[in-house]
Amino acid sequence: NAGVTQTPKFRVLKTGQSMTLLCAQDMNHEYMYWYRQDPGMGLRLIHYSVGEGTTAKGEVPDGYNVSRLKKQNFLLGLESAAPSQTSVYFCASSYPPAGVYGTGELFFGEGSRLTVL
Amino acid sequence: GDSVTQMEGPVTLSEEAFLTINCTYTATGYPSLFWYVQYPGEGLQLLLKATKADDKGSNKGFEATYRKETTSFHLEKGSVQVSDSAVYFCALSNYGGSQGNLIFGKGTKLSVKP
Repeated sequence: NAGVTQTPKFRVLKTGQSMTLLCAQDMNHEYMYWYRQDPGMGLRLIHYSVGEGTTAKGEVPDGYNVSRLKKQNFLLGLESAAPSQTSVYFCASSYPPAGVYGTGELFFGEGSRLTVL
Repeated sequence: GDSVTQMEGPVTLSEEAFLTINCTYTATGYPSLFWYVQYPGEGLQLLLKATKADDKGSNKGFEATYRKETTSFHLEKGSVQVSDSAVYFCALSNYGGSQGNLIFGKGTKLSVKP
């Protein structure tokens, strides 16, 4: 019953530090996504992946990198953190891709709250 | 481009009150429409969906009807409970976009008082 698991759940960084958020799903989904959630902004897509070994940019990709070396894992990296990256990050997965066949069901993790000082 | 606009919150209601959260969209073609709910401290989860005009999605007492003529997908519930307190997101998906990316509204926070 794990679904989508994100680690860590909380992290405080200093400006310029680097870190990686890990997302793991056990549903054998092809598609995985990283979103950020900011007050008054809703959810904005950072990067996504349509399968193992593939990644693509979303709406707000600058300052982030991602990797999908294994189907079940999707990593989000911040090479040099900035205060503007203070946010709650959500990973999600789906199969088929959300909305293409009308399913539209993204399965979300519980979120990772990142503070950059 | 495609977009979703939902009513600003927060919305505060008493238990058993009627709920409406407005959602309108802009999109070409025939998008699918969704409502997601986020309970405190949790990720989002799908509440209901509709994939074509005049479809009604329903779940847990919530309903929304896909109205193409008014480009709307308003969320309604006849009698809210304290446990419905959450943030509600309207979303759309338009095939042909970036591999099924959902476009989310900004969210409406609902607080239900006993």
